Amino acid sequence: DAGITQSPRHKVTETGTPVTLRCHQTENHRYMYWYRQDPGHGLRLIHYSYGVKDTDKGEVSDGYSVSRSKTEDFLLTLESATSSQTSVYFCAISEGTTNYGYTFGSGTRLTVV
Amino acid sequence: AQSVTQLDSQVPVFEEAPVELRCNYSSSVSVYLFWYVQYPNQGLQLLLKYLSGSTLVESINGFEAEFNKSQTSFHLRKPSVHISDTAEYFCAVSDPDRGSTLGRLYFGRGTQLTVWP
Repeated sequence: DAGITQSPRHKVTETGTPVTLRCHQTENHRYMYWYRQDPGHGLRLIHYSYGVKDTDKGEVSDGYSVSRSKTEDFLLTLESATSSQTSVYFCAISEGTTNYGYTFGSGTRLTVV
Repeated sequence: AQSVTQLDSQVPVFEEAPVELRCNYSSSVSVYLFWYVQYPNQGLQLLLKYLSGSTLVESINGFEAEFNKSQTSFHLRKPSVHISDTAEYFCAVSDPDRGSTLGRLYFGRGTQLTVWP
């Protein structure tokens, strides 16, 4: 399996605090994605990256920012956490062309209280 | 863009019964098609994919899916389910813009398959 790890696995934080989630890959894949998963909504794309320092917004990017300073790391930051951002966050990686599909991390369960 | 519809949010079945999880997508342009499975408290894992060739694709654990271009469907089936198949299943479809290099996949909302003894 592709090497992709997310940290932390679980986090509880207070409303209004900044939070950073990390996705680390050892596969040298060019493309990385952040999704959130919520009951009834499936997976929704937050941000994605197609290379170092190249990122773009997905469908639910408000309140989130990302950075990719190295191929292997893709960081997701909640600038000021809100209760609506309580969710499970998944990182995915891809070699690029769509026929490869994605490989997913194990997820980060974030609770904002 | 692409829209993916999984028609059933929940599918309960008894063990050893057949099951079909339905998936339809919006774009009729040639696409790649995927089914992912998510076991409790885990990430999504690729179950099977259709890229080209035979419209029937199989997984190693007995699932199969058939690509139907005219109906823009990619339904997942298994003739006899086990309790261990209990999981959430996601259909995914590639970006219809084949010139895109973003590798973007579009996901359905998922179908929870629950197998009862």
